Amino acid sequence: DAGITQSPRHKVTETGTPVTLRCHQTENHRYMYWYRQDPGHGLRLIHYSYGVKDTDKGEVSDGYSVSRSKTEDFLLTLESATSSQTSVYFCATGRDRDTEAFFGQGTRLTVV
Amino acid sequence: DQQVKQNSPSLSVQEGRISILNCDYTNSMFDYFLWYKKYPAEGPTFLISISSIKDKNEDGRFTVFLNKSAKHLSLHIVPSQPGDSAVYFCAASVENNDMRFGAGTRLTVKP
Repeated sequence: DAGITQSPRHKVTETGTPVTLRCHQTENHRYMYWYRQDPGHGLRLIHYSYGVKDTDKGEVSDGYSVSRSKTEDFLLTLESATSSQTSVYFCATGRDRDTEAFFGQGTRLTVV
Repeated sequence: DQQVKQNSPSLSVQEGRISILNCDYTNSMFDYFLWYKKYPAEGPTFLISISSIKDKNEDGRFTVFLNKSAKHLSLHIVPSQPGDSAVYFCAASVENNDMRFGAGTRLTVKP
């Protein structure tokens, strides 16, 4: 178990408000990821990080930004939440980019 | 553009029988394949993987088969147990690139 904690676990927010989700890891993994899970789509990569201050876009990055100021923390920000961003968000970490990832328990975000 | 497809949203099997979960992919460059298992209200957990240089990998009750010519992989669980009831995600990656996931298959193992 990679010791990944996400906060908050649940959040309801209004359209147009900013939202920040937090991910903290204790395994010193180089890679950190943010995924969203939606019915019929599985897990889709939003953004990832390959080191402190090193981030890049994933498959569905529009409307999201990330920051990584420390190895152990990876933040996902929705600058102005929309209803289409209602989803379950998973943080994950990994030693390498293309091998198995370790997932947090998820954050259920509802935008009303 | 869904490069990894799990065409069966659900599968139900009897306890003790074999469960076979299927996955197809379109990108012939994928060289590493993984299966994850997910229980409700939890994150996915890694189950088993296979490199493209192999056609089979076994770990206890779980075996993954890879057919590169058909761009198909499958996960066999023998014997199936009620605790195996979960959503199973297939994933694939190219060296040093992002992993792509399928939509998942919900397995129900009936006692």
